[in-house]
Amino acid sequence: EDQVTQSPEALRLQEGESSSLNCSYTVSGLRGLFWYRQDPGKGPEFLFTLYSAGEEKEKERLKATLTKKESFLHITAPKPEDSATYLCAVLSADSWGKLQFGAGTQVVVTP
Amino acid sequence: GAVVSQHPSWVICKSGTSVKIECRSLDFQATTMFWYRQFPKQSLMLMATSNEGSKATYEQGVEKDKFLINHASLTLSTLTVTSAHPEDSSFYICSARTSGRAFYEQYFGPGTRLTVT
Repeated sequence: EDQVTQSPEALRLQEGESSSLNCSYTVSGLRGLFWYRQDPGKGPEFLFTLYSAGEEKEKERLKATLTKKESFLHITAPKPEDSATYLCAVLSADSWGKLQFGAGTQVVVTP
Repeated sequence: GAVVSQHPSWVICKSGTSVKIECRSLDFQATTMFWYRQFPKQSLMLMATSNEGSKATYEQGVEKDKFLINHASLTLSTLTVTSAHPEDSSFYICSARTSGRAFYEQYFGPGTRLTVT
């Protein structure tokens, strides 16, 4: 059975204090790993797709990396507007297109 | 690109009535749409998968007669909560997937907050 575990559950950062979020996964045949950002009361906002180990993608202060067992979302010099819940999801070869989500990491960036 | 809308954004209804939620892909054709439910402080729970022109596939434990899903076109899917009860109160979110080059990517709508009184 596919499993996705995110850590930490919550992260409180000072503005400018870089950090990383972890997403560990166990799937049978990874088709893709996805990162989303979700603000309270809103739907998830797509950030990145990673397809194979060694792949990296960047967007502003965010950088996502992928290995065969985990993915990291690095937040460089965060700003208060980066406060959100970050969700990781995986798509496996036998999941019929359905994403398996982790529980999320709630990030709070204080000025 | 890849914008998904939902309507309404929030709705309050009385117990026993039905409520319809619309999900539209605005700038792409969605061959597959998904409906999720999210409880406070929890992650998304998949309810069903719908393909255009086909019957929806429901996840285990989701009552298909209570949560009616129609995917009538490549840009519109609807979720109807029939005979709503207070326990159906939740945040409902749809997502859409294209058949294009980013085949596996799902784009989410803004969500609909349903409150049943």
